[in-house]
Amino acid sequence: NAGVTQTPKFRVLKTGQSMTLLCAQDMNHEYMYWYRQDPGMGLRLIHYSVGEGTTAKGEVPDGYNVSRLKKQNFLLGLESAAPSQTSVYFCASSPGAITGELFFGEGSRLTVL
Amino acid sequence: AQKVTQAQTEISVVEKEDVTLDCVYETRDTTYYLFWYKQPPSGELVFLIRRNSFDEQNEISGRYSWNFQKSTSSFNFTITASQVVDSAVYFCARCPRSGGYQKVTFGTGTKLQVIP
Repeated sequence: NAGVTQTPKFRVLKTGQSMTLLCAQDMNHEYMYWYRQDPGMGLRLIHYSVGEGTTAKGEVPDGYNVSRLKKQNFLLGLESAAPSQTSVYFCASSPGAITGELFFGEGSRLTVL
Repeated sequence: AQKVTQAQTEISVVEKEDVTLDCVYETRDTTYYLFWYKQPPSGELVFLIRRNSFDEQNEISGRYSWNFQKSTSSFNFTITASQVVDSAVYFCARCPRSGGYQKVTFGTGTKLQVIP
């Protein structure tokens, strides 16, 4: 039972570098989400997808892009990383808009120097 | 924004003590869901409970219990006879029933340390 898998788990970037975080789920969920977790701020939604080929902005989308070319994968990209993007990133998925449980991955810790 | 407030930033208890984690939320929605998640030191987020706003019955699951009081917009979480494995950050969250999970609002979390 893999559930939601995120890669990589840890990454250190220099300012201006780009990278992609991969989220894969094996539960055939329609909805997928990317959150960031910062100290004292809880989780904030970056982008989400309601199905293959769709994406939408969340609360804090600036500086990030996403793609959902396959139902099971949701990619989060940073085109030009900034120190403010140092955070722990969580991917989540759900079977429907509000049905079922919101399943989370184990998180990816990103440091931008 | 409709906030979820977890006023207790950190709590320390001695093993076997009972502990209550507070959660107060704002909402303009008629129907909504409330959640609790656990984030152990390993980092993943573990679902604990989901409660519908029209079901005000308290719930008990083993050593865990939840007290939902719609009149005071609170959804508190009590751990009875705490254990070291309960040490984690606990997040309360709220989501309007019509909005989907993309509308979920998380509290800032309460870090619980259970001392052996």
